[in-house]
Amino acid sequence: QVQLVESGGGVVQPGRSLRLSCAASGFTFSTYGMHWVRQAPGKGLEWVALIWYDVSSKYYADSVKGRFTISRDNSKNTVYLQMNSLRAEDTAVYYCARVLSSSDYGMDVWGQGTTVTVSS
Amino acid sequence: QSVLTQPPSASGTPGQRVTISCSGSSSNIGSNYVYWYQQLPGTAPKLLIYSNNQRPSGVPDRFSGSKSGTSASLAISGLRSEDEADYYCAAWHDSLSGWVFGGGTKLTVL
Repeated sequence: QVQLVESGGGVVQPGRSLRLSCAASGFTFSTYGMHWVRQAPGKGLEWVALIWYDVSSKYYADSVKGRFTISRDNSKNTVYLQMNSLRAEDTAVYYCARVLSSSDYGMDVWGQGTTVTVSS
Repeated sequence: QSVLTQPPSASGTPGQRVTISCSGSSSNIGSNYVYWYQQLPGTAPKLLIYSNNQRPSGVPDRFSGSKSGTSASLAISGLRSEDEADYYCAAWHDSLSGWVFGGGTKLTVL
């Protein structure tokens, strides 16, 4: 079955960096785009980034542009989120999600999330 | 302030039909598909409706979606206690070149 497992979350000081990973299984990873979506404590969902299946395009929310980088390794069935210059407002549960199809980039299957806390 | 506007709360009794609205603009809902997600307490979101009105396999036909102009709606008929959750709408936003979500609607089954 399709499965996404996030890891790499933790407590980090403001201004520091963290890299999240999302390991995929149960589908042909190299043919699907992938999203990162976050949810601050007690708040709603906020889209963070999207990478196409072939890395030809990447998109970012304005709130993270220039600080976060999405990437993928199709040989390892893994998508990453490199987060630099972290701020308190980046504290959230981070979810990775697979797109629906090659022609529909809506978020389909979601992982269970990994928690990032930015605090001194 | 979310780009897509949803009512913060909705409620109904078992068996009732409830609708949740999602209002956007010509840059998002007006020109792109709408998606709906259900988030049960303490769990990850789950896709409920895609491409405005399509249900993924496994989603009961009690859930339906519609879109008109720059607004969309999620309808839940035959309300059940297990439908108590947060519901979010989402769409691609052309001028932002990114995805936007509604603020979420907390559905209470009385």
